[in-house]
Amino acid sequence: DADVTQTPRNRITKTGKRIMLECSQTKGHDRMYWYRQDPGLGLRLIYYSFDVKDINKGEISDGYSVSRQAQAKFSLSLESAIPNQTALYFCATSDRQGDIQETQYFGPGTRLLVL
Amino acid sequence: AQTVTQSQPEMSVQEAETVTLSCTYDTSESDYYLFWYKQPPSRQMILVIRQEAYKQQNATENRFSVNFQKAAKSFSLKISDSQLGDAAMYFCAWNSGAGSYQLTFGKGTKLSVIP
Repeated sequence: DADVTQTPRNRITKTGKRIMLECSQTKGHDRMYWYRQDPGLGLRLIYYSFDVKDINKGEISDGYSVSRQAQAKFSLSLESAIPNQTALYFCATSDRQGDIQETQYFGPGTRLLVL
Repeated sequence: AQTVTQSQPEMSVQEAETVTLSCTYDTSESDYYLFWYKQPPSRQMILVIRQEAYKQQNATENRFSVNFQKAAKSFSLKISDSQLGDAAMYFCAWNSGAGSYQLTFGKGTKLSVIP
């Protein structure tokens, strides 16, 4: 089974709709992240969470919100979707300590299309 | 601000040959981490190799190795004995030390492998 899972894998929605993307991990990592990937722009950080009570904005948080329901679950919400939020969304995790704390492990991605 | 530059949008290599992907970065920090991620058509972001800036020895992982030139701020990826399964987008990424949250990505290099 995959260590980091994302649901759904693909989603089509309409402008103005609220949607939620979910991420779960079995790696036991404390830190979780949401990224967005646009063609030609690489990945950009939306939100990150170092533990259940610690949530922080990333580079491009406007129009998004998150919820850390448990150590293993981190959800990304688009309150009112707009077409320029069409992108590939990745969840990632990293460990809090040790030699590999800076290494992030990614889920399979969710492709979102906003019409 | 830290930046990561991949100057080769696309590259191709003959199967079984060797190819080198380039990456340069800009930072004033002395302690940081560098990564190469592979993104095949399946969209999954897969960690290929990791390099700690304080280590002089270049990292290797089977057919993948890096040429890390700290003074030149260069971090190239060499793929030896290229295989069809190596065809993918390759992203170079940088992370500050001390458990930083921010992974800064380059825009990627699309690698094609010719049979």
